[in-house]
Amino acid sequence: DIQMTQSPSSLSASVGDRVTITCRASQTISNYLNWYQQKPGKAPKLLIYAASTLQSGVPSRFRGSGSGTDFTLTLSSLQPEDFATYYCQQSYNSPITFGRGTRLEIK
Amino acid sequence: QVQLVQSGAEVKKPGASVRVSCKASGYTFTDYYIFWVRQAPGQGLEWMGWINPDSGGTSYAQKFQDWVTMTRDTSINTVYMDLSRLKSDDTAFYYCARQNVYDGNYLDYWGQGTLVTVSS
Repeated sequence: DIQMTQSPSSLSASVGDRVTITCRASQTISNYLNWYQQKPGKAPKLLIYAASTLQSGVPSRFRGSGSGTDFTLTLSSLQPEDFATYYCQQSYNSPITFGRGTRLEIK
Repeated sequence: QVQLVQSGAEVKKPGASVRVSCKASGYTFTDYYIFWVRQAPGQGLEWMGWINPDSGGTSYAQKFQDWVTMTRDTSINTVYMDLSRLKSDDTAFYYCARQNVYDGNYLDYWGQGTLVTVSS
């Protein structure tokens, strides 16, 4: 199985900050990398697919990049509603696997 | 609009079985696979398997191979996930999600989740 390693596991930031979350795959996955946001008590929500394509309706302050094994999710100008847990997920091969999540908290 | 609506919370005793349903609307049911993902309290996301609503074909994660069954009823646009021989560590939220393979491979719509609690 492909292992997905996210870092950091948690971080604190303030409204208006820019933050970056990284995700590394244990083998190359081309651009088959997706990012999800999950708020407490809610289902995950797709933010970005194919490493860099913004899902419809997702604000442009979310940006994804990377290819191969190393990927990043950048949130520019954090808004109060962005404080949540973020997961990366590879869909290059089965079984699909997720990172362990990055919890973004308000400083 | 696309919606996946899951059945309500369940409380089961160890050794029992549970069925979680996921009703789809707003799109052609047979055009998209449905994935099941579980999340233990405070933990990450774990893929359990998928079902092809058109053919009924399935694929299960090796961990769940012997005790999960996914089925569908095309007459009511609903998929089911049955989990047997429940243990306390099966206590989790169970999510269904639609797989989209347009320009990638991703889970674009999710059900609201069903909490299954296993306790004696």
